[in-house]
Amino acid sequence: KNEVEQSPQNLTAQEGEFITINCSYSVGISALHWLQQHPGGGIVSLFMLSSGKKKHGRLIATINIQEKHSSLHITASHPRDSAVYICAVRAAVGSQGNLIFGKGTKLSVKP
Amino acid sequence: DAGVIQSPRHEVTEMGQEVTLRCKPISGHNSLFWYRQTMMRGLELLIYFNNNVPIDDSGMPEDRFSAKMPNASFSTLKIQPSEPRDSAVYFCASSLGGQRNYGYTFGSGTRLTVV
Repeated sequence: KNEVEQSPQNLTAQEGEFITINCSYSVGISALHWLQQHPGGGIVSLFMLSSGKKKHGRLIATINIQEKHSSLHITASHPRDSAVYICAVRAAVGSQGNLIFGKGTKLSVKP
Repeated sequence: DAGVIQSPRHEVTEMGQEVTLRCKPISGHNSLFWYRQTMMRGLELLIYFNNNVPIDDSGMPEDRFSAKMPNASFSTLKIQPSEPRDSAVYFCASSLGGQRNYGYTFGSGTRLTVV
């Protein structure tokens, strides 16, 4: 079983829809990251969370440490949001910085 | 800052050849990570350095892979000899802080194709 699980694996939405991507993890963590990767592109860090909620534009990330769960929400989705969204965690112990990655959620937003 | 700089962006090589990938981390960052991304396995850590010292190389597939960080501003990942199964996108990332929670900055990646 992977230490970081994302759902769904693939997601297709219509422009304007509200989107939620979920991430569950099984290890104790010191931080959780949401990353974005466009097709053929590099990886961009969207959020780093250790508790609560963060918002940046139309993107909102939440984390529940007790439940070992995080969600990434996109409001008023747009075709340019089409990308792979990757959840990654940094373990609380035994790690000096390495990230453990989920397999990613491929989002496609249709106009 | 120009971000994490990787070179080359694309590399096509023949099986058996030596391949060297390069990375310049963000100035002041003291942690550097090499990751490999494939369709089958997603992102995997190969090796990471703290203050130029290799901390964990357990992700390095085999002896054909080696990585160095001779100084704080430069790292290389070498594959010798290369094989078709090494074809992947290789990302370098840097971060500030060992135990502290700082963000990560990724390079644009090197797409390696071994034919």
